[in-house]
Formats: sequence, structure tokens, C-alpha cells
Amino acid sequence: AQKITQTQPGMFVQEKEAVTLDCTYDTSDPSYGLFWYKQPSSGEMIFLIYQGSYDQQNATEGRYSLNFQKARKSANLVISASQLGDSAMYFCAMREGYSSASKIIFGSGTRLSIRP
Amino acid sequence: ETGVTQTPRHLVMGMTNKKSLKCEQHLGHNAMYWYKQSAKKPLELMFVYNFKEQTENNSVPSRFSPECPNSSHLFLHLHTLQPEDSALYLCASSQDAQGDGTDTQYFGPGTRLTVL
Repeated sequence: AQKITQTQPGMFVQEKEAVTLDCTYDTSDPSYGLFWYKQPSSGEMIFLIYQGSYDQQNATEGRYSLNFQKARKSANLVISASQLGDSAMYFCAMREGYSSASKIIFGSGTRLSIRP
Repeated sequence: ETGVTQTPRHLVMGMTNKKSLKCEQHLGHNAMYWYKQSAKKPLELMFVYNFKEQTENNSVPSRFSPECPNSSHLFLHLHTLQPEDSALYLCASSQDAQGDGTDTQYFGPGTRLTVL
């Protein structure tokens, strides 16, 4: 069974609009971390934001925020006021913490395209 | 610039060649990782090194041979590869692979490998 699910293979959004990228996860470990990465066409995987399973508040980093709904096992990324430079692949990832294997599992990604 | 560099950025090799990919991190991290990213497939973890010791080999064929001489450098030695090994190979580093779930991985720009 997939542990990280990103149901939107591609999205088109008008510049300056907000966009939500969906991510659901599956784990029985009470301790885990959730990550979002951005991958432009250059290939580099850029870390955006992190949410811990015990964090009480949703993580925010500049224009990025993570809508963490623990009961629903969702960790959607919200980008406010989108810019042309936001066009990229976005990957949601999960690490099941406190284990000896530091495996981060990545979703299949969402390709975001920002229209001018 | 994330502090993780990879060379070469592009590599074309024949199936009988031997080549090496190099990764260097300038972040003072103790863990380093190799990932493979093929077209239309999620990112796949290949190897994990923590404090220079290999802690994970994700069932990778022996034609891929990692080497970690110190916490700052990681190599991936390639020999007798197959065309299906063509992919983007990403290196990452983190503070401590056996830490808690907050451990964030930072990626290099990747080496785009083509096997003819």
C-alpha cells in the first residue's frame, strides 16, 4: 500500500492566486515527520517545509504553509500569492521517526504550472 | 545553493564503462544518502550512510557500489550498468540519520545519467 499519496499529477494556477497541493499519508507510527520539497526543471530537490507529528500548530515558512490534519492523515501544502517561479514539481514526503532506518518515503509528485 | 554539491551534473556512459559519481556536503552533517529518480517513478532511496557507516542498502544491484570515506564525501561507483539505470541520481545529507523525525534532508542538484 502506498504510504504517501499525491492525487494531483498536474495543476495549472493563475499567477498571484493561492494554490493547495494535496498529500495524504499512511502510518501506524505515532512519531513521524512530513516534508514538502520543490523540484524545478534543473533537478535540484529544494526543501520547503517540515511538520512534526506532535507539532500543535501548522508549519509556516514565508509563502508556504502546511495544512496538517492529523485525524484525516493529510498534509496539504498551501502556497499563497503564487509566482511564476513556483512552477515546478512538488513532492510530499514522510519519515517514520525514532527508527534505526531513516527512510524518507516520497509521493509521486504534483507538477504545478503558474500561468502569467 | 543548499551546501550539497554533485559532480558530474551530466554523464553518458556505455554499458561496459566504469564511472563514479561524487557528492560533497558542506553542512557539517553526519548522514548522507543516494537516491534514484527515474521518469514516472517516485524517488527511490538507494543507500544511507550515518557517521560513515552504511545503515541501509535498499536492495540495490551490486553494479552500484557506494563509498563514504568521511562524513563530507559520498561516492557511487558504477560498472556494467544497464540502459534502465538511466535516471537522475540525487545525493542528500542530514544531521543524523538515526535522530528523530525532525531530521531534514538537503539535496544536491543531481547527476543525470544516461546509459547507452
